[in-house]
Amino acid sequence: GDSVTQMEGPVTLSEEAFLTINCTYTATGYPSLFWYVQYPGEGLQLLLKATKADDKGSNKGFEATYRKETTSFHLEKGSVQVSDSAVYFCALSDRGRRALTFGSGTRLQVQP
Amino acid sequence: KAGVTQTPRYLIKTRGQQVTLSCSPISGHRSVSWYQQTPGQGLQFLFEYFSETQRNKGNFPGRFSGRQFSNSRSEMNVSTLELGDSALYLCASSLRGTPNYEQYFGPGTRLTVT
Repeated sequence: GDSVTQMEGPVTLSEEAFLTINCTYTATGYPSLFWYVQYPGEGLQLLLKATKADDKGSNKGFEATYRKETTSFHLEKGSVQVSDSAVYFCALSDRGRRALTFGSGTRLQVQP
Repeated sequence: KAGVTQTPRYLIKTRGQQVTLSCSPISGHRSVSWYQQTPGQGLQFLFEYFSETQRNKGNFPGRFSGRQFSNSRSEMNVSTLELGDSALYLCASSLRGTPNYEQYFGPGTRLTVT
């Protein structure tokens, strides 16, 4: 079945550092890919998405590119802020099954 | 436009009891999905409802059930609660007709079973 693998956290960075959170996936067909963010005590917020190979999703300074050849969707940000501290989830949607499959989440801690 | 709302936000129940959680989707969204989030198993899909019919189901026992009303609001029921049912239950709504199938999540209901 479909699966998503994320790098384990926590990832601890200083403010203004460069962020990369790795995400790889296994899926049949051509899934859509997503990054969601969860702040403490809250639900999930859609951060960005990509629906086909080579698409780049971007939002709030975060970017991720759908790489079919490496089955990856790594999240990047050039300069993180303390307010970016949260748990980040990579996910895919199987259009046939119409359900999201999530990775295990990566906790990001940004220190001032 | 108001987001997805879930009630109640917190619940404490005893083993063997049953519980009902409620979800109101974003206006115009007719698909509602439910997910369970636990530290051990992460985020797992429970089921999806569209047009008052369950369209898709995850790998959960029959104690977990749901329904959807004509106004797209959805309820989830868990019967004969077990300690392992303690989790954050998240509801998500979407426009089912879109190929991207992006889902918008509510704040969740935190269920504690004692």
